Amino acid sequence: GAVVSQHPSWVICKSGTSVKIECRSLDFQATTMFWYRQFPKQSLMLMATSNEGSKATYEQGVEKDKFLINHASLTLSTLTVTSAHPEDSSFYICSAPAVGAGDTQYFGPGTRLTVL
Amino acid sequence: GNSVTQMEGPVTLSEEAFLTINCTYTATGYPSLFWYVQYPGEGLQLLLKATKADDKGSNKGFEATYRKETTSFHLEKGSVQVSDSAVYFCALSPLRSNDYKLSFGAGTTVTVRA
Repeated sequence: GAVVSQHPSWVICKSGTSVKIECRSLDFQATTMFWYRQFPKQSLMLMATSNEGSKATYEQGVEKDKFLINHASLTLSTLTVTSAHPEDSSFYICSAPAVGAGDTQYFGPGTRLTVL
Repeated sequence: GNSVTQMEGPVTLSEEAFLTINCTYTATGYPSLFWYVQYPGEGLQLLLKATKADDKGSNKGFEATYRKETTSFHLEKGSVQVSDSAVYFCALSPLRSNDYKLSFGAGTTVTVRA
């Protein structure tokens, strides 16, 4: 099946720094990718839709200047958490729709961000 | 809007017990319905799906039937194993082209004891 990778798998940073998380579709092209945030023992909350070659679409309540998304190619989307603070600590997950079966999504393994 | 309500856990079972996780949804039209599973330390994986009323999705001994009349998609397995310990998420996707946003339930943590 299709594979979506994320890098890094975990990161620890100091408050005030920026962190970039990569999401790659390894064996298929994805014009759209999704970014989710998952708090401990809670469900996934959609943050934004990443669109190749155009601006990302953010869900209500998500700060677009805080969570910068770039989808520069058909296999790569990046999420940059700018000026991170401890409340940004979370599990960030990306997904991409399957080719020809868009209602099925492939998920990355997630990135654990801890902001000290 | 679209929403998914899922049975709260945690659920603890003995091996070979019967498992049911209830899921109901609210949506405009007829969405696609999914169960995703998240094993410890791993990302979400699609377990099964159904795209229209009365469809039955099945995989790894799990089944779920798309019930339009009760807007439900309950997950069942007749005999669970320790390896089924995971978090299970019910989800829906609207049946509109180019809109593949998933709405997730809260997740149900299942622990199977030997």
